[in-house]
Amino acid sequence: NAGVTQTPKFQVLKTGQSMTLQCAQDMNHEYMSWYRQDPGMGLRLIHYSVGAGITDQGEVPNGYNVSRSTTEDFPLRLLSAAPSQTSVYFCASSYSLGGYGYTFGSGTRLTVV
Amino acid sequence: DQQVKQNSPSLSVQEGRISILNCDYTNSMFDYFLWYKKYPAEGPTFLISISSIKDKNEDGRFTVFLNKSAKHLSLHIVPSQPGDSAVYFCAASGRAGGTSYGKLTFGQGTILTVHP
Repeated sequence: NAGVTQTPKFQVLKTGQSMTLQCAQDMNHEYMSWYRQDPGMGLRLIHYSVGAGITDQGEVPNGYNVSRSTTEDFPLRLLSAAPSQTSVYFCASSYSLGGYGYTFGSGTRLTVV
Repeated sequence: DQQVKQNSPSLSVQEGRISILNCDYTNSMFDYFLWYKKYPAEGPTFLISISSIKDKNEDGRFTVFLNKSAKHLSLHIVPSQPGDSAVYFCAASGRAGGTSYGKLTFGQGTILTVHP
């Protein structure tokens, strides 16, 4: 049971480049989310999905796209990378909401130069 | 506007003593409160949660207290162990059916150091 798997673990992009951060879970969880962590700011929600085909915006969605074609996968696309998107990105999944904690992946550290 | 705040950036305690981590929130629509622990280069790990209809929830060495009137929650770790040294985040989400249900709002985190 791998849990939540994120790839790559590290990435350096040039300003203006695009890329996709991959996230996969093998726990058959319906709910998946993407967060970014910046120093002194905790984690902030980027995008959110309650099931295949259904996504919603979080607190900081600008510059990012998501899609959810399967239960297992929830990729995050950076359309045109900017230095402000330098951050650590975490994907998370849960079988239910409310007080049931999300399971987080180990993160992708992205640097945009 | 920071809806969930952890005002202590760091806390240092002696092994075996109690660690108390605090968290304040401003949004009265929050219905669930969660605590996560994070080690460097790893993702956050869920520790314990509490619903707004309760004022206490306990799981082993970890107890979370909720004071709704003060919009304040705390995590107690007793006894503290060196392996508890990590960053602790509190988080909140809205009630079922609401627009923020399942969307976690995190505090800034508190670095806990437990000395042997």
